[in-house]
Amino acid sequence: DGGITQSPKYLFRKEGQNVTLSCEQNLNHDAMYWYRQDPGQGLRLIYYSQIVNDFQKGDIAEGYSVSREKKESFPLTVTSAQKNPTAFYLCASSRQTGVNEKLFFGSGTQLSVL
Amino acid sequence: KNQVEQSPQSLIILEGKNCTLQCNYTVSPFSNLRWYKQDTGRGPVSLTIMTFSENTKSNGRYTATLDADTKQSSLHITASQLSDSASYICVVSAPFSMKYGNKLVFGAGTILRVKS
Repeated sequence: DGGITQSPKYLFRKEGQNVTLSCEQNLNHDAMYWYRQDPGQGLRLIYYSQIVNDFQKGDIAEGYSVSREKKESFPLTVTSAQKNPTAFYLCASSRQTGVNEKLFFGSGTQLSVL
Repeated sequence: KNQVEQSPQSLIILEGKNCTLQCNYTVSPFSNLRWYKQDTGRGPVSLTIMTFSENTKSNGRYTATLDADTKQSSLHITASQLSDSASYICVVSAPFSMKYGNKLVFGAGTILRVKS
């Protein structure tokens, strides 16, 4: 069953804590992305990766970090520097970062602050 | 002001009725315009992708139109079903970015509820 798997579905963070959101894909896609979704707003790009061992900041990268050690995996760490982390986080992938490439999304992780 | 504006914010219709969702954008130039369906608590799923040279594209009961001159797009849903209840998101792709090939600008979405 091909697709993108995000885990966990729900995550709670204590103040001062770093948490990591998992994203795995078996679509053999080169490009992967992390978006943040807040109520009443459009998705905003946090980080993206065009290829293994390379990643670039998106529009709202502050307080977040990523790694791309394997083609299939693109974990996102929400650090304690992110002061307003409560949001729905979506991971996506595409074959490449070309203009007309179709994005495939995971089911998302809802992060809340305790 | 958001570069991609969607209207209405929310809509309730009866099962079996048709509806039309609107998307106005200011992103220019643009490469393509996409419509996604997002069920509550799930990731968006692609419905249509239209380049600037296309003015209509269908996917089953979903038909998207594009007027690149007025920078408007619409998504028409025919014979609505309960399963159409979701958020519908308009996304415009800009062809150039300093960082990468294209940048996606997302609208906030229209929440559609179909009731029996």
